[in-house]
Amino acid sequence: KAGVTQTPRYLIKTRGQQVTLSCSPISGHRSVSWYQQTPGQGLQFLFEYFSETQRNKGNFPGRFSGRQFSNSRSEMNVSTLELGDSALYLCASSLEQATRTGELFFGEGSRLTVL
Amino acid sequence: AQKVTQAQTEISVVEKEDVTLDCVYETRDTTYYLFWYKQPPSGELVFLIRRNSFDEQNEISGRYSWNFQKSTSSFNFTITASQVVDSAVYFCALSDLVMDTGRRALTFGSGTRLQVQP
Repeated sequence: KAGVTQTPRYLIKTRGQQVTLSCSPISGHRSVSWYQQTPGQGLQFLFEYFSETQRNKGNFPGRFSGRQFSNSRSEMNVSTLELGDSALYLCASSLEQATRTGELFFGEGSRLTVL
Repeated sequence: AQKVTQAQTEISVVEKEDVTLDCVYETRDTTYYLFWYKQPPSGELVFLIRRNSFDEQNEISGRYSWNFQKSTSSFNFTITASQVVDSAVYFCALSDLVMDTGRRALTFGSGTRLQVQP
């Protein structure tokens, strides 16, 4: 069974640009969560999508957005990039909503560098 | 106060030593879940265990064991006879109801970096 796939794995952008990251969950999983990981802030929850609806959202500005498609694949977008957005963005999928009893299966992440 | 506290930022041991990673959590919810995840150098977090608040039975899985104590709000993780392959960052996480929003949230601790020297 294929794991969670994130693309691209690495990318470099400049301030002011926007970026779209993609996540393909494990087949059959309906929940996709996104996390930002930085050395200073650790793992911070961005949002969770379940059955194409955003079910939960962390404390991030509106520049961070996401969506989920009918096949459960998800994308997250960051507009007007800032230096502080440099991070490893992790996607996780689960059968049920992540914050219920389900365990999370993480992808290897997309490492974004903003110059 | 942090909801999930992993006070040990980095631990270094020599192979075959036992090591315990501490996790202290804070919640007002009565039904909550605790997790441990491992993040090897490759970056992908790997689920290790889930515990619900009603099950205080300790669990052992091979060289791994977990000690859940509600009285001290702790969910500690012990690796027996550590190996070099155990080197990773370990995260403790809590899923509980956030009173302000009425929704459940999954909160990770800051992680403990374990280095096992040969």
